[in-house]
Amino acid sequence: DVQLVESGGGLVQPGGSLRLSCAASGFSFSDSEMNWVRQAPGKGPEWISYINDNGRPTYYADSVKGRFTVSRDNAKNSLYLQMNNLRVEDTAVYYCARDFTGWSLDWGQGTLVSVSA
Amino acid sequence: QSALTQPRSVSGSPGQSVTISCTGTSSDVGGYNYVSWYQQHPGKAPKLMIYRVSERPSGVPDRFSGSKSGNAASLTISGLQAEDEADYYCCSYAGRYTLVFGGGTKLTVL
Repeated sequence: DVQLVESGGGLVQPGGSLRLSCAASGFSFSDSEMNWVRQAPGKGPEWISYINDNGRPTYYADSVKGRFTVSRDNAKNSLYLQMNNLRVEDTAVYYCARDFTGWSLDWGQGTLVSVSA
Repeated sequence: QSALTQPRSVSGSPGQSVTISCTGTSSDVGGYNYVSWYQQHPGKAPKLMIYRVSERPSGVPDRFSGSKSGNAASLTISGLQAEDEADYYCCSYAGRYTLVFGGGTKLTVL
């Protein structure tokens, strides 16, 4: 079974940084395109980042471009999201998501990021 | 991109059918056959129910079906069951390796 386990969330002040991790198992991670999607409380999901199976190219939503960086380590079956200059509006549950096929997603259980003074 | 448009809520009685609409533009829903639908129960992660407009992953009941016409897609759930009560989100590929989601529809089983 596909398993995606996010970690690294928590409470951070505005302007701070966090690094999220996603441990993948149950599928060929090195052959899989991956995404990060977030969901603010009471809102619909928002796609924020894509990374190809070998790490390039990467793409970002305008809302996080220049502040967030996605990366992966295929040897460790792991996906990462470095988040800098965090804003209150970045508060959300962050999900790691595998491209199942045709731009559809298998999701992890999520990790909560709270940005507050 | 702007979020896809979904009704905020729909409802139906057990055994009935409901349809949830999802309206986009020619740059997303209308431009690609990459529409997917997700079911989300409270406090849980979204679960893939439909991909590529009308395909069902293994394990998803055939009561769930999807379709698309022009810039609009729809999810139909037939033979409603109590466990179908959840939030449903549509999603479309929007070009240049980006995805756009709908705002979500809350399904109530009466």
